[in-house]
Amino acid sequence: DTGVSQDPRHKITKRGQNVTFRCDPISEHNRLYWYRQTLGQGPEFLTYFQNEAQLEKSRLLSNRFSAERPKGSFSTLEIQRTEQGDSAMYLCASSPPGNEQYFGPGTRLTVT
Amino acid sequence: ELKVEQNPLFLSMQEGKNYTIYCNYSTTSDRLYWYRQDPGKSLESLFVLLSNGAVKQEGRLMASLDTKARLSTLHITAAVHDLSATYFCAVEPDAGNMLTFGGGTRLMVKP
Repeated sequence: DTGVSQDPRHKITKRGQNVTFRCDPISEHNRLYWYRQTLGQGPEFLTYFQNEAQLEKSRLLSNRFSAERPKGSFSTLEIQRTEQGDSAMYLCASSPPGNEQYFGPGTRLTVT
Repeated sequence: ELKVEQNPLFLSMQEGKNYTIYCNYSTTSDRLYWYRQDPGKSLESLFVLLSNGAVKQEGRLMASLDTKARLSTLHITAAVHDLSATYFCAVEPDAGNMLTFGGGTRLMVKP
């Protein structure tokens, strides 16, 4: 078990472009979470999945954001028409039911 | 809406000194977590506190939880430079749901 992995680790994109991030959770963790952390702030919840079902979404998740977990394993987070305000660290975490979340290394997005 | 507040937001201290970081939260909670984050890195789990009166210690760090006061503390004993980082508390109101984080305490330990 190698822990939660995220890809890419860094992404620089121009405003208006679409980006997609991937998260591979710890195997057999059926819950997967996405958080966003802007500079100098604590992480903020975006959304979470139990298996392939997306159970909750934050108001922060505008209609430009979409997350999927098609087979209940890895997840993708897509941001369409990126804006400079989307620049942040995107953190993924996974957990077994009712247990502690384990965080991945994060994907740092810079929108120029 | 659950709110989590930490203080202080910034703490500069000398090596060898003791200090406490406070974490207040606004609603009942199943669990409280403390994390460490180094610049540009992800979150490292330090402690998970599950019940009223829980106390956990690891090295120079000790965390406690008072669910009646909705308060957790992270106490630093005889600080060393390696403890310099940002520390976050996070509250999980229902087991298995999303975490709500405090704003973080940036700790700098000077030689």
